[in-house]
Amino acid sequence: LAKTTQPISMDSYEGQEVNITCSHNNIATNDYITWYQQFPSQGPRFIIQGYKTKVTNEVASLFIPADRKSSTLSLPRVSLSDTAVYYCLVGDIRGTDKLIFGTGTRLQVFP
Amino acid sequence: DVKVTQSSRYLVKRTGEKVFLECVQDMDHENMFWYRQDPGLGLRLIYFSYDVKMKEKGDIPEGYSVSREKKERFSLILESASTNQTSMYLCASSQAGTSGYEQYFGPGTRLTVT
Repeated sequence: LAKTTQPISMDSYEGQEVNITCSHNNIATNDYITWYQQFPSQGPRFIIQGYKTKVTNEVASLFIPADRKSSTLSLPRVSLSDTAVYYCLVGDIRGTDKLIFGTGTRLQVFP
Repeated sequence: DVKVTQSSRYLVKRTGEKVFLECVQDMDHENMFWYRQDPGLGLRLIYFSYDVKMKEKGDIPEGYSVSREKKERFSLILESASTNQTSMYLCASSQAGTSGYEQYFGPGTRLTVT
């Protein structure tokens, strides 16, 4: 199983771009990279998923370098409502592997 | 909208009781999951199921069992509840294949075992 390492916490201010990097040195060929967001007292919510290069949706961008040993979630112009815990997951759900959530990165956005 | 519902938001049980946590999803998803979440430990996978009557152990299956008799329903069973099973329990579902990375979570059940 590919283990991930993320910063425990990050602080930002409204309107700034936030980049959260996740390290996954032993990622396997079939593994995908997925990011989730969790607010207090709620279940996690899917943000974005990628395999390589760059993926963008209406919420975030995901940057994956060629060696795939890390990935960066980019949140453009954060607001107070982006204060949450962000999880980086690596795995191949089609196989016997499972998605491992880990402890995530607690992002605090200040006014 | 995908809806994943869990039978209770809060539950208080006594040590040694048999506890059933029910989860129902309405989107015909193949995959269903049970996690527990504890402060400082993140979400940990207990069991998951890729199909009716199919189940696989996650990272912390000890003390738990599951049942999936119908596609939409996935039950978590604590055979004999213990205080160290006090936790937030989260159910999730997802489609098969690469779409399965997008899991939909229920609101959670906060279980207290006294």
